[in-house]
Amino acid sequence: NAGVTQTPKFQVLKTGQSMTLQCAQDMNHEYMSWYRQDPGMGLRLIHYSVGAGITDQGEVPNGYNVSRSTTEDFPLRLLSAAPSQTSVYFCARELTGKCLGNQPQHFGDGTRLSIL
Amino acid sequence: KNQVEQSPQSLIILEGKNCTLQCNYTVSPFSNLRWYKQDTGRGPVSLTIMTFSENTKSNGRYTATLDADTKQSSLHITASQLSDSASYICVVEDGGDYKLSFGAGTTVTVRA
Repeated sequence: NAGVTQTPKFQVLKTGQSMTLQCAQDMNHEYMSWYRQDPGMGLRLIHYSVGAGITDQGEVPNGYNVSRSTTEDFPLRLLSAAPSQTSVYFCARELTGKCLGNQPQHFGDGTRLSIL
Repeated sequence: KNQVEQSPQSLIILEGKNCTLQCNYTVSPFSNLRWYKQDTGRGPVSLTIMTFSENTKSNGRYTATLDADTKQSSLHITASQLSDSASYICVVEDGGDYKLSFGAGTTVTVRA
């Protein structure tokens, strides 16, 4: 799992329910991010964090919250699930973040989320 | 808006054959271009990263090329194996804001 553990692997929710997707890394990397992957589209950035206590919005942040209280954990919260949030969610870690670049991202194996 | 376009969307090849995937981008300024392999049900795994000054990079049977002038990249798979069946994703990093633009991927199916 490239040192990124995502739980749960699968989840079905009803519209309006809330839940938290967990992401944990064991490499002490500063930079972490959440993406969603939808059919026929590239991965889209939801939120990211450049270190503990620091988060920022990505391309599609609406309906999602994140927090980064520790370097290891970066949970993604769905506040009130909507069918449009049905997707596969990937968490990623990166060694140096954006300042130096040229570093690959390491992705977890994803959470497959269905909203009914 | 920066875009990354990959072609073809999908292809089927016979085991042992070669294939080439294409990636065209409009991201500017350019920082680097990445190719990832994503197996079904798994997260993407990095194959190569190329900067402006690199025009080819290999990782085993995978060889990526980059033409930064024409903003094109290709990923060549040599002597394909069944395990090469996956989606291959091209990603370009913007040299200004360091944002990543992801292609939709090319799905490769290798058949015996």
